[in-house]
Amino acid sequence: AQSVTQLDSHVSVSEGTPVLLRCNYSSSYSPSLFWYVQHPNKGLQLLLKYTSAATLVKGINGFEAEFKKSETSFHLTKPSAHMSDAAEYFCVVSREYGNKLVFGAGTILRVKS
Amino acid sequence: GAVVSQHPSWVICKSGTSVKIECRSLDFQATTMFWYRQFPKQSLMLMATSNEGSKATYEQGVEKDKFLINHASLTLSTLTVTSAHPEDSSFYICSARDFPGYEQYFGPGTRLTVT
Repeated sequence: AQSVTQLDSHVSVSEGTPVLLRCNYSSSYSPSLFWYVQHPNKGLQLLLKYTSAATLVKGINGFEAEFKKSETSFHLTKPSAHMSDAAEYFCVVSREYGNKLVFGAGTILRVKS
Repeated sequence: GAVVSQHPSWVICKSGTSVKIECRSLDFQATTMFWYRQFPKQSLMLMATSNEGSKATYEQGVEKDKFLINHASLTLSTLTVTSAHPEDSSFYICSARDFPGYEQYFGPGTRLTVT
């Protein structure tokens, strides 16, 4: 069975400083991994996805994530936080690409001015 | 593009009544729709998968007679919570996927409170 663990429930950064949201996964199969973002009163939006191609994945809004099989990690990073990045972020694993998404508990990102 | 809407965004109902939640794909045809449930401070959990014109496939532990799903058209799926109880209070989120795409597009969610 697949599962994901988001290591921080809340992360607070200052505007202009780097962002690191941590995610570890467990999967018996070669996984597909995703990061979604949810702004208040908005639907979940896909930030980026890993599907066994390049291990460094670039997404929208300057976010990227690196798939590390040896560490079973898929951490999300951004070099410089913007106020508009404040939201909740979900790390997601799927065995069948497009189906059976398994969500992490979420990390709330706060950006201070 | 790829917008999914849900209606209502918030509903309060009395215990024992039924409530219907709609999920619509506004600018694409959704061959598959998914229904998730999210408890406070917890992650989303997949409840069921529905394909247009077919019966929904429910995840283990989800009561299909309590959570009725209808995917009657390529743009509309409905979730009906029957004989609602306070423990059914939750945030319900749908997503939709077109064919042959793989990405799921999510609706904004519906908060159900059963009193």
